Amino acid sequence: EADIYQTPRYLVIGTGKKITLECSQTMGHDKMYWYQQDPGMELHLIHYSYGVNSTEKGDLSSESTVSRIRTEHFPLTLESARPSHTSQYLCASIPWTGGNTEAFFGQGTRLTVV
Amino acid sequence: AQSVAQPEDQVNVAEGNPLTVKCTYSVSGNPYLFWYVQYPNRGLQFLLKYITGDNLVKGSYGFEAEFNKSQTSFHLKKPSALVSDSALYFCAVRASTAGNTPLVFGKGTRLSVIA
Repeated sequence: EADIYQTPRYLVIGTGKKITLECSQTMGHDKMYWYQQDPGMELHLIHYSYGVNSTEKGDLSSESTVSRIRTEHFPLTLESARPSHTSQYLCASIPWTGGNTEAFFGQGTRLTVV
Repeated sequence: AQSVAQPEDQVNVAEGNPLTVKCTYSVSGNPYLFWYVQYPNRGLQFLLKYITGDNLVKGSYGFEAEFNKSQTSFHLKKPSALVSDSALYFCAVRASTAGNTPLVFGKGTRLSVIA
């Protein structure tokens, strides 16, 4: 198992609440990613970072925001949760060693907004 | 632009039979290709990758994949399927010249191995 952790694993929250999904890795990886996985199983890249103070939006438009203040930490925040945000969220990281390195994934956070 | 196609949403195979999960890709230049597996309520686990060299790549849990440049394919195979192989499988690609761009994933294939 890779040293990348996501908390919480499961979260049920009411509409309009603010939530932060945590992702931490102890491998010193520079590149980190957030994916949203819909019930049909397809992965959608929503945010990524190439290092401290670097954040980029992914392919899928998302109402979430991210920050990268420390190398090991890449939290994702939803300011006002909606039922449409119900999904599984996966965090991943890759070392800065070129494009031939595999990504390491966390266990995921399954979010349900009621 | 980089893209990956997994033409089958679902693959069913009997236990003990060989299995194949298909993947085709499109990149400019040479590709780096990856296979991942996802079990229920878990993240993705790396299975194997092709970077360069031998077209047949061996990975975890007895899986292997064959890189075919002329057909732009990277199909995942196993000689004898186990019920425990039932999971979601994702193919991913990055062009070797793509630098730091994120991996591009296919839509996934659900493998069901029937006892």
